[in-house]
Amino acid sequence: DAGVTQSPTHLIKTRGQQVTLRCSPKSGHDTVSWYQQALGQGPQFIFQYYEEEERQRGNFPDRFSGHQFPNYSSELNVNALLLGDSALYLCASSGLAGYNEQFFGPGTRLTVL
Amino acid sequence: AQSVSQHNHHVILSEAASLELGCNYSYGGTVNLFWYVQYPGQHLQLLLKYFSGDPLVKGIKGFEAEFIKSKFSFNLRKPSVQWSDTAEYFCAVATGTASKLTFGTGTRLQVTL
Repeated sequence: DAGVTQSPTHLIKTRGQQVTLRCSPKSGHDTVSWYQQALGQGPQFIFQYYEEEERQRGNFPDRFSGHQFPNYSSELNVNALLLGDSALYLCASSGLAGYNEQFFGPGTRLTVL
Repeated sequence: AQSVSQHNHHVILSEAASLELGCNYSYGGTVNLFWYVQYPGQHLQLLLKYFSGDPLVKGIKGFEAEFIKSKFSFNLRKPSVQWSDTAEYFCAVATGTASKLTFGTGTRLQVTL
């Protein structure tokens, strides 16, 4: 049984560019959450998707947007990249509409130059 | 909004020593509590969780944690650490609906031989 997968593993962008990160949830899970983990910090909640809609959002600007597809996979988009967006982006999936523990993927390391 | 405090940022122990990592949260309502571990080069993994019932919960690899509601605490313990326990440990809390996780800043545990 495949766990949560994310792509790409690493990504280097320059300021002002746009980036799309992808996540496939664990089999049987229907809810996807995205987190940003800056170096030396704990993960911070960006938003959560369920039934193809954003259900909850953390304290992140509108430059951060997402999407969930009918197969429950998800994308995170970040526009107008800033140096401060450099971080590890984690995807987590959960079942039962999100009322359950979250399983994390390996993350995408984004570096903004 | 809820928050999580982990007061020990970096802990160094010798093998076989006992471990206790502190975690305090601020939220007045019902909470679900988690400890996650991040081994070097690996993704976040769930160590243990508390949803309800017995406040002393046992997790994988000999870890346990005790939920003390009056102290808003959920400290992680292990009677005898091993070198392989070297990792970063994160406490997290979920409140209300949709299981959004709020993480602490993490504790880096280094176990020496």
